[in-house]
Amino acid sequence: KNEVEQSPQNLTAQEGEFITINCSYSVGISALHWLQQHPGGGIVSLFMLSSGKKKHGRLIATINIQEKHSSLHITASHPRDSAVYICAVDGYGGSQGNLIFGKGTKLSVKP
Amino acid sequence: GAVVSQHPSWVICKSGTSVKIECRSLDFQATTMFWYRQFPKQSLMLMATSNEGSKATYEQGVEKDKFLINHASLTLSTLTVTSAHPEDSSFYICSASPRTGVVREQYFGPGTRLTVT
Repeated sequence: KNEVEQSPQNLTAQEGEFITINCSYSVGISALHWLQQHPGGGIVSLFMLSSGKKKHGRLIATINIQEKHSSLHITASHPRDSAVYICAVDGYGGSQGNLIFGKGTKLSVKP
Repeated sequence: GAVVSQHPSWVICKSGTSVKIECRSLDFQATTMFWYRQFPKQSLMLMATSNEGSKATYEQGVEKDKFLINHASLTLSTLTVTSAHPEDSSFYICSASPRTGVVREQYFGPGTRLTVT
C-alpha cells in the first residue's frame, strides 16, 4: 500500500464546477504539500499545511491530522486549472525534507 | 517571493556527454536543495539532498559518481549528469528550502527536461 494515496486519479469537470481532490496518508507528518504540475512539467507549490485550512484565491486546502487526510478544493473551476495536482507529505524521521509523493490527480476542466 | 529557477529548461545531448543543470534560489538563501527525477507518468523521486558547503546525500540506488551535485553557495546548486545515456532521459526538478533542521518549506523549480540521444 502506498504511503500517500490520492483520489480520484483522473477527474473531468465542466467549467464552473466545484472540485475536490483527496489525499490520505499513513505516516506521521510534519507538513503536507499540495503541488500543481502543468503539462509542460513545471511544478508550482500551492500550499503547505500542518493543520487547519488555507485559502488562496479559488483554491482551498484543508487537513485533518487525526484522520490523516487532506483535501484540495477548487471553486469556480476554469480550463486553466487543468493540470496534475500532487499531494506530498513531509514525514517525521528519515531524511530531512524527503517528501513522499502521491501519484497525482489529473484534472481536466472543459469549457 | 520564494522563486526557484532552473537552467536550462530543456536540453538534448548525445550519449556519452555530460550535462550540467543549474538550480538557483532567486530571493532567498537556500541552505538545503533537493534534486528530483520524474519519469513519464510517474511520481517525483528524490535523488539527493544537498546542504550548502557539504557533500550531497544520495538516495539508495542513485549513483553519486554519475550524478554530481555541487551546492557551492546559498543560492546555487548544480547537478551534472556525467556520461549520459538514453535511460537518463527524464525530467529533473530541484527544490530549495531556506532552512535546515526540521525542513518544512520547499519551493520547486520549473524543471529541466533532458533527452539523451
